[in-house]
Amino acid sequence: DTAVSQTPKYLVTQMGNDKSIKCEQNLGHDTMYWYKQDSKKFLKIMFSYNNKELIINETVPNRFSPKSPDKAHLNLHINSLELGDSAVYFCASSQVQLATEAFFGQGTRLTVV
Amino acid sequence: DAKTTQPTSMDCAEGRAANLPCNHSTISGNEYVYWYRQIHSQGPQYIIHGLKNNETNEMASLIITEDRKSSTLILPHATLRDTAVYYCIDPGAGNMLTFGGGTRLMVKP
Repeated sequence: DTAVSQTPKYLVTQMGNDKSIKCEQNLGHDTMYWYKQDSKKFLKIMFSYNNKELIINETVPNRFSPKSPDKAHLNLHINSLELGDSAVYFCASSQVQLATEAFFGQGTRLTVV
Repeated sequence: DAKTTQPTSMDCAEGRAANLPCNHSTISGNEYVYWYRQIHSQGPQYIIHGLKNNETNEMASLIITEDRKSSTLILPHATLRDTAVYYCIDPGAGNMLTFGGGTRLMVKP
């Protein structure tokens, strides 16, 4: 079983659309994350979330919002997509709010046209 | 922003040891240093972490200097599948995994 799974793997959409990327972890972890990897390959953390606290990277536009229906899921909603949102988005999870062994999904490649 | 410094790229011959250095001169006394790698088109993968003592697991060894300002990740017998970008991370007080540019390791036959 895949520890951290994301869907879809590829997403192509037009500017201005609203889209969601789903993430599920079956590790029983308390904390989940979203990262963005741009064309220059830098991985930037967007959000860190557990059932108590949401930590938002201040550089993330408010068009991006994480939504967690339960501890095992953290979905990423993006409103009014822009060309610059094109990137690979990675979901990850770890036990508690610790930078210990984090498990990453395989990524979702988002292309905005 | 990442608080570590790593060479941009390194080459290693297949079967030889790959030694990847990292400077983390601002690391605090109670903060661990973490190593991850990212193989092309995959998500990052945890390798190892350490505080003061040297650490070894099935993937690699981690040598941390006594002053804790630098460390070296050692892949004892590099294979072609070890070709990846290797990230050394000092999470800092916020305990967040912040990735820098990493070292692109190319293992060559």
